[in-house]
Amino acid sequence: IAGITQAPTSQILAAGRRMTLRCTQDMRHNAMYWYRQDLGLGLRLIHYSNTAGTTGKGEVPDGYSVSRANTDDFPLTLASAVPSQTSVYFCASSDNEADTQYFGPGTRLTVL
Amino acid sequence: GQNIDQPTEMTATEGAIVQINCTYQTSGFNGLFWYQQHAGEAPTFLSYNVLDGLEEKGRFSSFLSRSKGYSYLLLKELQMKDSASYLCAVRDSNYQLIWGAGTKLIIKP
Repeated sequence: IAGITQAPTSQILAAGRRMTLRCTQDMRHNAMYWYRQDLGLGLRLIHYSNTAGTTGKGEVPDGYSVSRANTDDFPLTLASAVPSQTSVYFCASSDNEADTQYFGPGTRLTVL
Repeated sequence: GQNIDQPTEMTATEGAIVQINCTYQTSGFNGLFWYQQHAGEAPTFLSYNVLDGLEEKGRFSSFLSRSKGYSYLLLKELQMKDSASYLCAVRDSNYQLIWGAGTKLIIKP
C-alpha cells in the first residue's frame, strides 16, 4: 500500500441499507477526513479525526458516523442510506490538522 | 457565513498563460491551498500560501493578498494535460478547509 486507499471504488445501494466506506492510509498521518463532492459544490467535510481515538463533526455530518480505532483506518458508515447521499466520497489525511491534506481515489456511491 | 468564489469555467490555448482567481470570506485565515483535480480522479495538492505574495513552483505560481481576501493561480506554458478543475480552499480558524466549487479549465490546441 502506498498513500491512501478507499474501498469500494463504486457502489449502488438501495435506500435504507447500511453501508460502510473504508479508508486506510500507510503514511502514519495523525489526522484523517471524510468529504463528499457533489456537482457544482465544493468539497464538504463530513467528519474528521485529529488523532486516533478522537473524532469530530464537519459541515454535513447528519446520516453519517465514523470511528478511529487506530492510526491507519477511518471508516465512514451510512446507517440507513437515502438518495441525497448519492455522491463521490473522498477520504484524506494529513500529518496534523495544520498540514497539507492528501486524498484517496474516492468512492462513487449511488443510492436508489 | 463562509464563502469561496472562483469562476466556474475558463478556456485557454495550449502554450498560453491563464490566471484563475479566487476570493474568500472566512472565519479566520490559516492558509490558502490550490489543488488540481482531473475528471474522475482525486484532488492533488499544487500550492500553499499563508503570507502575502507570490509562490512559484515551475510552471505554476500562486499569489495571495490577505487584506483583499484574494488569491490567484497562474499557469504558464499551458499543456493539454493541464485540462482539469482547479480547487481553491481556505483553512479557517478551526483549521478546517473551506472549499470553492472549482474552476474547470479547458485547454484548446
